[in-house]
Amino acid sequence: NAGVTQTPKFRILKIGQSMTLQCTQDMNHNYMYWYRQDPGMGLKLIYYSVGAGITDKGEVPNGYNVSRSTTEDFPLRLELAAPSQTSVYFCASSYYSTYEQYFGPGTRLTVT
Amino acid sequence: DAKTTQPNSMESNEEEPVHLPCNHSTISGTDYIHWYRQLPSQGPEYVIHGLTSNVNNRMASLAIAEDRKSSTLILHRATLRDAAVYYCILRDLAGGSEKLVFGKGTKLTVNP
Repeated sequence: NAGVTQTPKFRILKIGQSMTLQCTQDMNHNYMYWYRQDPGMGLKLIYYSVGAGITDKGEVPNGYNVSRSTTEDFPLRLELAAPSQTSVYFCASSYYSTYEQYFGPGTRLTVT
Repeated sequence: DAKTTQPNSMESNEEEPVHLPCNHSTISGTDYIHWYRQLPSQGPEYVIHGLTSNVNNRMASLAIAEDRKSSTLILHRATLRDAAVYYCILRDLAGGSEKLVFGKGTKLTVNP
């Protein structure tokens, strides 16, 4: 199993540009999550999904959108990039909410 | 979510045991104690979790105080690869908590 994979690894965006961060898991997990981590800080939850077609907001959802059309994929969309969105983004998945979460390697995003 | 308190940093020597403390004085009866760690430039990885009894797995041991207001993650023989930020997280699994609430964690330095 590849586990949780994320693309791209790095990206530089200009203010106002849009992009989609890709996340795929091959463990048949029901739950998927998007977190962001600012320098020197812990992770904060952006959005999560409990299954295909169902998503919900986390702690810091503003400026982001998600969709979950399949069990495997959970893309994160940034519509109008702002410098405050400069961060490292981690995708995670778990079989159920009470189970441990498996994290991807992260996407380092810089908005200038 | 109940809050946890961890030291900002700790230092250890290679091959020696490491005891990482965590205080959670407002823990509720249905809160599980989870530990994750984050190696440099990687996503977090699950280490161990427990409710009341001490727990052991291949990575570490978790010692939980009788009143559950504190716990200790024990690495029996630290290696250089154990240098990471360790997060102690409470999860209310009775409430089906979807999110992991990350604090700043404890940065563990392992000296050769």
